[in-house]
Amino acid sequence: DGGITQSPKYLFRKEGQNVTLSCEQNLNHDAMYWYRQDPGQGLRLIYYSQIVNDFQKGDIAEGYSVSREKKESFPLTVTSAQKNPTAFYLCASSTRQGTTEAFFGQGTRLTVV
Amino acid sequence: ILNVEQSPQSLHVQEGDSTNFTCSFPSSNFYALHWYRWETAKSPEALFVMTLNGDEKKKGRISATLNTKEGYSYLYIKGSQPEDSATYLCAFIRGGSNYKLTFGKGTLLTVNP
Repeated sequence: DGGITQSPKYLFRKEGQNVTLSCEQNLNHDAMYWYRQDPGQGLRLIYYSQIVNDFQKGDIAEGYSVSREKKESFPLTVTSAQKNPTAFYLCASSTRQGTTEAFFGQGTRLTVV
Repeated sequence: ILNVEQSPQSLHVQEGDSTNFTCSFPSSNFYALHWYRWETAKSPEALFVMTLNGDEKKKGRISATLNTKEGYSYLYIKGSQPEDSATYLCAFIRGGSNYKLTFGKGTLLTVNP
C-alpha cells in the first residue's frame, strides 16, 4: 500500500540531545514537508523540499535540520539549539506542483525532559 | 510569514444544522488553496484543492468556494452529522514560493447529536 510513514509515534529525549525523526513515503512524490503543531498554533512549517538534494527553510526552521538524499526520505533532526522541542511533528508529501493534495503521516510526539 | 486566517476558531452546532467557515489569504499572487479535515487521532485528509477564481467544489455534504481576487474561501457543511466533528484546515500556496504550503490555525467543529 502506498503511503507516508513516520516513526516513532512517541519519542522521549533528555534536554541537550539531538534527535532525528523519520519520514518515508512510497507515493513517488517530489515534495515533502515538516510541520510542527503546538496547542492553539495550528501547523507551522519547519522545512520543505521539492526535489532531492534541495530544501528550503519554513517559518520556524531555527534549531532544526533536514536532509533529502533520497526521494522517499526526509528526516528531521531536532537539535539541542531548539529552545522548545516538545511538540507534535507531522510530515507530509505531495506532487511538486502543489495542485494536488498533500498526504500526511501519523505524526511523532516528541517529549524532551 | 504569510497570513492565512481561519474563522471562527471553534464552532458547536447541533446535528442537522448547516454551517460554514472562512479561510482568508493574501489576494496577490495566488497559486492554490487546499482544504483538509483532521479528526482526532488521525492524520489530516484532503477535502479539496482549488486553483481557479470562482471554483466551487463539492464532496457529499461538504462544498467549498474560492474568491482569489478578494482572498477568501468558504467551506460549507450541509446537515452536519456527529462524524463531521473535526478540525478543518485550509492551506495556501503563493505563486513563486516554490510551492510552500502554509496552513491556517484551523476551525474546530463539534457536532452535538
